[in-house]
Amino acid sequence: DAKTTQPTSMDCAEGRAANLPCNHSTISGNEYVYWYRQIHSQGPQYIIHGLKNNETNEMASLIITEDRKSSTLILPHATLRDTAVYYCIVRARSNDYKLSFGAGTTVTVRA
Amino acid sequence: GAGVSQTPSNKVTEKGKYVELRCDPISGHTALYWYRQSLGQGPEFLIYFQGTGAADDSGLPNDRFFAVRPEGSVSTLKIQRTERGDSAVYLCASSPGTGGMNTEAFFGQGTRLTVV
Repeated sequence: DAKTTQPTSMDCAEGRAANLPCNHSTISGNEYVYWYRQIHSQGPQYIIHGLKNNETNEMASLIITEDRKSSTLILPHATLRDTAVYYCIVRARSNDYKLSFGAGTTVTVRA
Repeated sequence: GAGVSQTPSNKVTEKGKYVELRCDPISGHTALYWYRQSLGQGPEFLIYFQGTGAADDSGLPNDRFFAVRPEGSVSTLKIQRTERGDSAVYLCASSPGTGGMNTEAFFGQGTRLTVV
């Protein structure tokens, strides 16, 4: 699976949009970008995934650049409960059952 | 609840002892996974079951670790001769179907294992 690079940590203000970047410059054509998050003392939680088109669901939006070498997860109105570690994962079709988590980005939402 | 359930939530054991960690997946989910998470790191894949069989156990660190899923539902992760380095949170997840690209994995809250 292609590797991903994320900032170690970031802060954002409650009520504002949180934009979480992820670089995956070696991504191949059939690899998807997945985002999970892990709130303290809980298991990881699926957020969203995409291949090349932008995606939106009730939790977040995923913007993938045209060359697919990077993406941004957007939490439109961050709340204190969004404080968590966010993992950007590139998932290969050949290992489509396996999630390869990195260290993720620790996001702290401040009041 | 209808989520993935793991028991116990915490387990403290002495070095050299045997432990079993249990996972109850979401009803009807055929795919089941075990991951291990050390402090400050992301989860690491251990093993994947499709039904009763282990389709991929490449993440098990050594032969002290073994997992079963005899009836295709509940799974047990077994660790023999525990070592202090086995201390971690053990996470279980399940997903419907074959766990492929367009399915999400649902994780339990994990079992925190401490080997003293």
